[in-house]
Amino acid sequence: GAGVSQSPRYKVAKRGQDVALRCDPISGHVSLFWYQQALGQGPEFLTYFQNEAQLDKSGLPSDRFFAERPEGSVSTLKIQRTQQEDSAVYLCASSKQGNTEAFFGQGTRLTVV
Amino acid sequence: QKEVEQNSGPLSVPEGAIASLNCTYSDRGSQSFFWYRQYSGKSPELIMFIYSNGDKEDGRFTAQLNKASQYVSLLIRDSQPSDSATYLCAVIGQAGTALIFGKGTTLSVSS
Repeated sequence: GAGVSQSPRYKVAKRGQDVALRCDPISGHVSLFWYQQALGQGPEFLTYFQNEAQLDKSGLPSDRFFAERPEGSVSTLKIQRTQQEDSAVYLCASSKQGNTEAFFGQGTRLTVV
Repeated sequence: QKEVEQNSGPLSVPEGAIASLNCTYSDRGSQSFFWYRQYSGKSPELIMFIYSNGDKEDGRFTAQLNKASQYVSLLIRDSQPSDSATYLCAVIGQAGTALIFGKGTTLSVSS
């Protein structure tokens, strides 16, 4: 596609529920990043894929967070047993290579109630 | 010390003026520097990137990099009300590939 596509755009989850957020990167982009953005803050790095390999997951806040990119294209960020502090906008970005300019999707706004 | 520091603002300038946005970073080995614009409720949009010391101009935007001072800036000439947004400075550190963001500076351009 022309840009990075994320779905759903909005998600309301009850505390304790599992959620899955999808990212479809720009075609041909090798690198894919997930970020978490709280209100009034800059995006915080969660994890990075190069093709299907997850090369850095140092930003994942707990073992309830899991990400995958099994075929090196679409990626899914899964959050198990959601907590209120997980409420944020989850942004996906892709780039041709790891240290070049990255382009963001529209984000998924997760609200845990 | 946060890795990328920005003054949160708000920075208020009149229409037609030059807006100057500043950013400092802590990783001296950082190689790549980016400015993103983020409108309220929207995702970050890349507006400039710079890799070498000096100035880089693109239309009304000029990015300036001083690696010795670990300082990056963005100048917006002839500011327009449509430039009102949060500007995020982002850096890729020496050891990494992911963007590290500052908190952003809110710019308000009044007509």
